Amino acid sequence: NAGVTQTPKFRILKIGQSMTLQCAQDMNHNYMYWYRQDPGMGLKLIYYSVGAGITDKGEVPNGYNVSRSTTEDFPLRLELAAPSQTSVYFCASSYSKANTEAFFGQGTRLTVV
Amino acid sequence: DAKTTQPNSMESNEEEPVHLPCNHSTISGTDYIHWYRQLPSQGPEYVIHGLTSNVNNRMASLAIAEDRKSSTLILHRATLRDAAVYYCILSTGNQFYFGTGTSLTVIP
Repeated sequence: NAGVTQTPKFRILKIGQSMTLQCAQDMNHNYMYWYRQDPGMGLKLIYYSVGAGITDKGEVPNGYNVSRSTTEDFPLRLELAAPSQTSVYFCASSYSKANTEAFFGQGTRLTVV
Repeated sequence: DAKTTQPNSMESNEEEPVHLPCNHSTISGTDYIHWYRQLPSQGPEYVIHGLTSNVNNRMASLAIAEDRKSSTLILHRATLRDAAVYYCILSTGNQFYFGTGTSLTVIP
């Protein structure tokens, strides 16, 4: 059982480049989340999804886009990378919203130079 | 947004109990209280959650105040592997909001 899988694990981008962070879960979870974590800080919610075809903004959505075409996948898109987007990105999933545990991936460390 | 307040850091001696406090004075009646921990260079890991009653599992216990405005995560015997940042989170609406957490140091 793979759980939540994020790819890539590391990436260096130049300012203005674009990329997609991949997230896949094999637990048939409805809810999926993207967080970013800056050094020494807690996690901040970027976007979340409550099911295929449904997404919504979190605390810090600017500069990012998401889509949810299947239950399994929830990619995060950076269109014009900026140094402020240098961070560790975590994807998570859960079966429901409040009364279940969330499972996190191992993270993608992104550096924008 | 419902928020939580935790001490920035705590220390414990190995094999002693640890009580990690969390204040959440703006909690609403339907918010669950979750605890996650994050080991260095890893994603957060679920520890425990509850609504009103105290909860126990193999990892820890969660004590919830009667007015639900505070809670305490109890690690019964701290080990070196318990050194991590512990986050107290309220699951409000469709989202989990993380604060800055408590960094737990376990002293051998």
